[in-house]
Amino acid sequence: GAVVSQHPSWVICKSGTSVKIECRSLDFQATTMFWYRQFPKQSLMLMATSNEGSKATYEQGVEKDKFLINHASLTLSTLTVTSAHPEDSSFYICSARPGQGEGYGYTFGSGTRLTVV
Amino acid sequence: DAKTTQPPSMDCAEGRAANLPCNHSTISGNEYVYWYRQIHSQGPQYIIHGLKNNETNEMASLIITEDRKSSTLILPHATLRDTAVYYCIVRVNSGGSNYKLTFGKGTLLTVNP
Repeated sequence: GAVVSQHPSWVICKSGTSVKIECRSLDFQATTMFWYRQFPKQSLMLMATSNEGSKATYEQGVEKDKFLINHASLTLSTLTVTSAHPEDSSFYICSARPGQGEGYGYTFGSGTRLTVV
Repeated sequence: DAKTTQPPSMDCAEGRAANLPCNHSTISGNEYVYWYRQIHSQGPQYIIHGLKNNETNEMASLIITEDRKSSTLILPHATLRDTAVYYCIVRVNSGGSNYKLTFGKGTLLTVNP
């Protein structure tokens, strides 16, 4: 089945530094990928839609200059958290869809737990 | 946006069927219903989706009412490993051919031995 891989699975960084999270579709091409954030005991919140070869579309309230998204190929999207602060500590999850037809569900990565100290 | 309403929690005995309800009374005619589950600290796992017909796969069955205002996810023989948060999601068109999944709070299903 379709697999979405995220790397790293967890990361600890110092406040003020930047962290890059990778999301790869392993056995399919994805022109669109989605980035979510999840705080403890809360649901997933969609942050942005990543589009291959063009700018990402950010949800209302999400700072595009802080959460940089690059979707340079059909199998890779990256999320960079710039100048991270403790309040950015969260579980970040990406998602992609292996096909355009209605028979396809959306596949999620296993998530990246970011801790900013 | 079509929104969904789910009970915050449910319990089920191991080996019995788990029936998880979802209300989506504002759903429009071309919006699909998706079900996902999330086990603690993992990414969501796809279960099933449908438009108006009932659907069944190796994991579960999805029953959608005729007026499409509600649906039920059925896990026929729940196991302890089915304990998770289950999300009922109506896929939203975000413009043109773009769609996105917006998660609500879901139902925490606890399967008891």
